[in-house]
Amino acid sequence: EAGVTQSPRYAVLQEGQAVSFWCDPISGHDTLYWYQQPRDQGPQLLVYFRDEAVIDNSQLPSDRFSAVRPKGTNSTLKIQSAKQGDTATYLCASSFSGTTGQLYFGEGSKLTVL
Amino acid sequence: GEQVEQRPPHLSVREGDSAVIICTYTDPNSYYFFWYKQEPGAGLQLLMKVFSSTEINEGQGFTVLLNKKDKQLSLNLTAAHPGDSAVYFCAVSLYQGGRALIFGTGTTVSVSP
Repeated sequence: EAGVTQSPRYAVLQEGQAVSFWCDPISGHDTLYWYQQPRDQGPQLLVYFRDEAVIDNSQLPSDRFSAVRPKGTNSTLKIQSAKQGDTATYLCASSFSGTTGQLYFGEGSKLTVL
Repeated sequence: GEQVEQRPPHLSVREGDSAVIICTYTDPNSYYFFWYKQEPGAGLQLLMKVFSSTEINEGQGFTVLLNKKDKQLSLNLTAAHPGDSAVYFCAVSLYQGGRALIFGTGTTVSVSP
């Protein structure tokens, strides 16, 4: 069974540029999460979806960050006008809501903003 | 909201020694508890999940203890070896499945020969 797939693995931007990260969850998983993991810190939740609906986006910096999951499968996280403080690894995870709450993580997309 | 404190932030041990990482959480409604391992440049690998009120789980080379009374979760690496060198995170989930995990701040473990 394929795991959670993320792309691109790496991105390097100048401040003010935009970037999109893509996530393909495990087939059958109805819940998808985006986490931000700054260097030497634990993952911090940005947003999560159940099917196509946003369940919690309270930690998403809404002025520059957006996330969608239009068909309840793949998801895109977009950062507009990136800042140096956005430098981090962006982790996507998926789970099935009817089970024990275990999240399956992708390898992450590492963003560096110069 | 839920807060998860993890200590120590760094741990250096010799091969064959044991190492203990402790997480303390605040929300009594926390339901599922996890330990993840992250090697450099890699994603998060699940080590163990627990969800009984007081539970001891043993895996390959480690023991996990959950004490809901004290709101504490611990990971004990027994007889550490260099392959255990990584960052370890505890994570807590409220209620039942389909909820986001709240992560601890991580512990960097270095095992020297």
